[in-house]
Amino acid sequence: AQSVTQLGSHVSVSEGALVLLRCNYSSSVPPYLFWYVQYPNQGLQLLLKYTSAATLVKGINGFEAEFKKSETSFHLTKPSAHMSDAAEYFCAVSGGFGRFGAGTRLTVKP
Amino acid sequence: EPEVTQTPSHQVTQMGQEVILRCVPISNHLYFYWYRQILGQKVEFLVSFYNNEISEKSEIFDDQFSVERPDGSNFTLKIRSTKLEDSAMYFCASRPTGEVLHFGNGTRLTVT
Repeated sequence: AQSVTQLGSHVSVSEGALVLLRCNYSSSVPPYLFWYVQYPNQGLQLLLKYTSAATLVKGINGFEAEFKKSETSFHLTKPSAHMSDAAEYFCAVSGGFGRFGAGTRLTVKP
Repeated sequence: EPEVTQTPSHQVTQMGQEVILRCVPISNHLYFYWYRQILGQKVEFLVSFYNNEISEKSEIFDDQFSVERPDGSNFTLKIRSTKLEDSAMYFCASRPTGEVLHFGNGTRLTVT
């Protein structure tokens, strides 16, 4: 069985600060891992995906994530937060069908 | 860019009534999904559909729920007798043979 755990339901950063959203996975097979973003009153949009190629994955809007097998982690980072990054972020394993994390709400303070 | 479209954007219904939520997946996609998100909570998988049949369903997807692909373009979720706790955002998603899901903007269902 596959699952993901997101640490921290709410993260608050100042504009310009580093963003770090944590995701750990559990999988008996090499996983595909994803980060989705959800803006208010909208559906989920793919930020980036890991599909067993490069372990450092770059996505849209300046986000990136690193797959670390030894730590079973796939944390999402962005060097400098922007006000427009405020949203809900979901980690998912193998496309997400049935296996989304609980989500992390990112707040960006001016 | 092709999109998954969902209608209506907001549906209000009385408890015990039947509702049908409609989705038009991206035309060349093969796999279809419904998810539910209760306000402020996580995205929950309901059901996946492939080759005109359900391929996987969660424990949430009980006998009150059904899905159908009545023609070549629509994918519907029916809730036979709605309960207050069915109030949520319902998201449709589709994908081709790859792993990436494409989501619609959701239908907000309010059961009163």
